Amino acid sequence: AQSVTQLGSHVSVSEGALVLLRCNYSSSVPPYLFWYVQYPNQGLQLLLKYTTGATLVKGINGFEAEFKKSETSFHLTKPSAHMSDAAEYFCAVKGSSGSARQLTFGSGTQLTVLP
Amino acid sequence: KAGVTQTPRYLIKTRGQQVTLSCSPISGHRSVSWYQQTPGQGLQFLFEYFSETQRNKGNFPGRFSGRQFSNSRSEMNVSTLELGDSALYLCASSLVDSQETQYFGPGTRLLVL
Repeated sequence: AQSVTQLGSHVSVSEGALVLLRCNYSSSVPPYLFWYVQYPNQGLQLLLKYTTGATLVKGINGFEAEFKKSETSFHLTKPSAHMSDAAEYFCAVKGSSGSARQLTFGSGTQLTVLP
Repeated sequence: KAGVTQTPRYLIKTRGQQVTLSCSPISGHRSVSWYQQTPGQGLQFLFEYFSETQRNKGNFPGRFSGRQFSNSRSEMNVSTLELGDSALYLCASSLVDSQETQYFGPGTRLLVL
């Protein structure tokens, strides 16, 4: 079975400050890891993903995440928050076969950016 | 390429009715997955279809069903609606391989009264 834990259901940062959203996963198979963002009344948009290779992954809008196998973590960061980053962020894990093929999502982190 | 499209975007039904939601994947994508999003349970996997066959199923009652057509378009059906079925239903499409990203549509928001 696979699972995702996102620490902090709500995170507030000031505009220009570092954004750090935490994600820890559990998976019995080598995981594929994803971060999605959801704006109000919209679907999910992919920010970045890790499948194999380089553990530091760069995504859209200046976001990046680092896969740390020893810590089973995949935290999302952005050096400088912008007002437009305010949204809900979901970390997700999937495996390569069988029932692990589907995305298993964390409970989400609502990011607020303060002026 | 056009993205994933879902129709209708909004739907109001009453308890006991049934509903059918439609999803058109990105051109060339053969896998379609459905998810239910609610404030209480978050995002939960419903089922995945590939080449008109259900390849994976989440932990939902049999009232939830789906199908996929030869053009990869998919529908999901919920029979005997309950108040708790009120949710945002998201469809996602991807290419064949499990490494491939799932691209999500805007969702259908279902309200059951």
